[in-house]
Amino acid sequence: GNSVTQMEGPVTLSEEAFLTINCTYTATGYPSLFWYVQYPGEGLQLLLKATKADDKGSNKGFEATYRKETTSFHLEKGSVQVSDSAVYFCASSRAGSYQLTFGKGTKLSVIP
Amino acid sequence: GAVVSQHPSRVICKSGTSVKIECRSLDFQATTMFWYRQFPKQSLMLMATSNEGSKATYEQGVEKDKFLINHASLTLSTLTVTSAHPEDSSFYICSASTLAGGRSYEQYFGPGTRLTVT
Repeated sequence: GNSVTQMEGPVTLSEEAFLTINCTYTATGYPSLFWYVQYPGEGLQLLLKATKADDKGSNKGFEATYRKETTSFHLEKGSVQVSDSAVYFCASSRAGSYQLTFGKGTKLSVIP
Repeated sequence: GAVVSQHPSRVICKSGTSVKIECRSLDFQATTMFWYRQFPKQSLMLMATSNEGSKATYEQGVEKDKFLINHASLTLSTLTVTSAHPEDSSFYICSASTLAGGRSYEQYFGPGTRLTVT
């Protein structure tokens, strides 16, 4: 079945630092890939997604590229802000399915 | 758009009692709703998938008689934890799915319900 592995946190960065959160997946076929963000006390929000190889998802300065050859979907941001502090989840879904498989989440703390 | 609410946001109940959690899609009709459980520092674990008007499909290892799911309408699903025990204490999150752009489904998540069983 599908599985998602992402780097364990917590990750603590200074404001304006570069962020990378690694995510790799295993799946049969060609899954869609997602990054969700969970701010304290809130539900999950879709941050970005990619549905096929070499697609790049981007939103709010975050980017992730669907790399089929390395089965990865690493999340990056060039300059983080305090407001980016949250838990980030990588997820995949099978082609044609709406069921999601989540990674364990990575907590990011950005300090001024 | 695509807002999902959950009620209550927090609930404390005594061991042996039952508690109901509601999940509502506020501005769209959800063809499918999902219930997840999130343990501290853990990922979301899918408990069950429900379609309006039909029985829920439970994931392996989830007791259907303990976690009763009712999907009464296209905007409301309820999860009832029956005869709750302390080990049922957790963060429960629902999501609602609808066809987006005619090609793929999006899941919209509720804010979660913190259940504490004493």
